Amino acid sequence: KAGVTQTPRYLIKTRGQQVTLSCSPISGHRSVSWYQQTPGQGLQFLFEYFSETQRNKGNFPGRFSGRQFSNSRSEMNVSTLELGDSALYLCASSAEQGFETQYFGPGTRLLVL
Amino acid sequence: GEDVEQSLFLSVREGDSSVINCTYTDSSSTYLYWYKQEPGAGLQLLTYIFSNMDMKQDQRLTVLLNKKDKHLSLRIADTQTGDSAIYFCAESILSTDKLIFGTGTRLQVFP
Repeated sequence: KAGVTQTPRYLIKTRGQQVTLSCSPISGHRSVSWYQQTPGQGLQFLFEYFSETQRNKGNFPGRFSGRQFSNSRSEMNVSTLELGDSALYLCASSAEQGFETQYFGPGTRLLVL
Repeated sequence: GEDVEQSLFLSVREGDSSVINCTYTDSSSTYLYWYKQEPGAGLQLLTYIFSNMDMKQDQRLTVLLNKKDKHLSLRIADTQTGDSAIYFCAESILSTDKLIFGTGTRLQVFP
């Protein structure tokens, strides 16, 4: 069974631009969560989608948004990029709600210049 | 509030045991987790413990939970160089249904 895949793996953008990151969960998994990892703030929860609905949301500004498609693939969008958005963005999928069966992807490393 | 703390670094000799510690503040946590992150990779769930348990053993890994002191530890027996990585503890919060991660402990294993 293929693992969680994220595209692209690396991305360089400039301030003010917007970016869309993609996550394909493990086949059969319906829950997708997104996390931001930075040296200063560590790992922070962004949001979780389950069956195309946002089920939970972390404390991030409205510039961060996401969605989930009917095939459970998820996208995360960040508009008006800031330097502080430079981070590793991790996606995780699980079969059902809950974290015990959560599997992480390799992440997308975003650099904002 | 929700806060999970870990020491930043741990250095051990190959073959010794490693003990990584974690403290948390939210008493409504349901599960506590240990993740491993190797360079350039995502997180790998190593093990988890339900909050009403004291101990869980899984091969070389032993998790101890002191709920009164809100203290969680991960013991790795016979530590190998391949165990070198960053280890994160995390708690799932019942009231918010979120996963809160610790700051991570960088484990370095030297021969």
